Amino acid sequence: SYELTQPPSLSVSPGQTASISCSGDKLGDKYACWYQQKPGQSPVLVMYEDDKRPSGIPERFSGSNSGNTATLTISGTQAMDEADYYCQAWDSNTAVFGGGTKLTVL
Amino acid sequence: QITLKESGPTLLKPTQTLTLTCTFSGFSLTTSGVGVGWIRQPPGKALECLALIDWNNVQYYSPSLRNRLTITRDTSKNQVVLTMTNMDPVDRATYYCARGVRYFDSWGQGTLVTVSS
Repeated sequence: SYELTQPPSLSVSPGQTASISCSGDKLGDKYACWYQQKPGQSPVLVMYEDDKRPSGIPERFSGSNSGNTATLTISGTQAMDEADYYCQAWDSNTAVFGGGTKLTVL
Repeated sequence: QITLKESGPTLLKPTQTLTLTCTFSGFSLTTSGVGVGWIRQPPGKALECLALIDWNNVQYYSPSLRNRLTITRDTSKNQVVLTMTNMDPVDRATYYCARGVRYFDSWGQGTLVTVSS
C-alpha cells in the first residue's frame, strides 16, 4: 500500500520559515494536500492540489510538490501556527495520510 | 454554510458492529465532484481514511479494512452511514466525516468511539 512519510516534529522560531516535508513514491505525479490540526479540534484544509490555498488561509502558507516530495512552507511563522500538520494524497482509490508533523513555534 | 455532524454510539463491546451517521447541510451529494468520507484518528495518532462515497454513489474503501466496512448514503436525508463490523479495542478513535473526494475541505467535529468489554 502507498505510504507518505513526514518528520515527526519540527521546531521554528517566531518569524522564521517552517518547511514541512512529505515523501512518497512518485508523489509529484499525484496531487498533495495539507491539513492543520490543533489540539482538540478537527483538521482544517490549508493547501490542496499541491499549491492552492482555500479561502481564509493566510498567504504565508504555500505548497509545492515535485519528484517524491511535497512541501508545506509557512513564511513568517506565528505562534498560532503551532499545530500538527498532515499531508494527504489519493492513491489506488483511497485517501492516504502521512503520519503527521508536530510544529512547535518557540 | 457547510456543516457535517457525526452521530452514533460512544461505547461498544468487542465484536459488535459500529454504525455511524453523518448528517450534513450546505451541499448536495448528488452534485458532480462531491463526496463524503469517513476518517478516524486514534488518540495521539495519525488520520486514517476508512471509506468514501461520491456523487455517483461509487464507494471507496481502505484496502486494509475493506472487509469490515460498508458506506451508504441517503440523499433525501443528506446523510452518509458507515458500518464497521467486529469492533475491537484497537478501533478506539475519534471518527470524523468530511466533505470531499481527492481532499476534504469541511470536517465534522468528530465522535470518540470506545470499544471495551
